[in-house]
Amino acid sequence: DTEVTQTPKHLVMGMTNKKSLKCEQHMGHRAMYWYKQKAKKPPELMFVYSYEKLSINESVPSRFSPECPNSSLLNLHLHALQPEDSALYLCASSQPLPGQGYRGYTFGSGTRLTVV
Amino acid sequence: AQRVTQPEKLLSVFKGAPVELKCNYSYSGSPELFWYVQYSRQRLQLLLRHISRESIKGFTADLNKGETSFHLKKPFAQEEDSAMYYCALKLSGNTGKLIFGQGTTLQVKP
Repeated sequence: DTEVTQTPKHLVMGMTNKKSLKCEQHMGHRAMYWYKQKAKKPPELMFVYSYEKLSINESVPSRFSPECPNSSLLNLHLHALQPEDSALYLCASSQPLPGQGYRGYTFGSGTRLTVV
Repeated sequence: AQRVTQPEKLLSVFKGAPVELKCNYSYSGSPELFWYVQYSRQRLQLLLRHISRESIKGFTADLNKGETSFHLKKPFAQEEDSAMYYCALKLSGNTGKLIFGQGTTLQVKP
C-alpha cells in the first residue's frame, strides 16, 4: 500500500457544526502532516506529527484540533469554523529522518471543505 | 529566512519545445529540494528529489548552490506535462517540514 487515504472527499459544514477529517497510511511512515491549500495557492503547513507526537503547530487557531491515535491514523477535528476556513485540506506522510530513506511526502487527495 | 521563489505563475509552450521552470531558494542550512506536480483533479505527487539526481518523465533538475537555484527542465514538452509544478525546500531537522514555492502552471499547447 503506497497511498495516503483521506475521508471524506468533500464536506460541507455549518459554522456551529463539529466534524472530523480522517487520514490513514500503511507505509510505515512515522511523520504525518496536515496542510491547508486554497485555490491556486501552495499548501500551507498546519501541523506535524512525528512518532505520534505533535512536533509543529504553525499557530493554527484552536478551532482546528489534530489528533494522532496511532502511527497509521491522523485526524483533524473541526469546530466553529469560519467561511474563510473553506479550502482543500491535505494530509501527507513521510519518513521523519533522512537517514531512514527520506523520499519526500506522499500526499492524500484531500478533503474539500466548505463552511457555510 | 527560508524562502522558495518561483518567479513565473504561468509558463506556456508549444509541444516539443524545451521547458525550464525556475526555482530559487533562500536558506542558511544545507538545502534539500524537491519538485512536486499536481495534474488536474489529481493529488500532489513527488516528481524529483535533488539528492537522487534522477530523471522522471524526462524532467531533470540540478541543484546549483552558487546560484541557489533548482530549475526544472525538459528538452521536449508533451501535452500531458500540463500541470501545476511546485518547488519545495525541506528544512533541516527531523520534522520533514517543507516550504513550498507559489507554483508555476505549465501549459503545453498542441
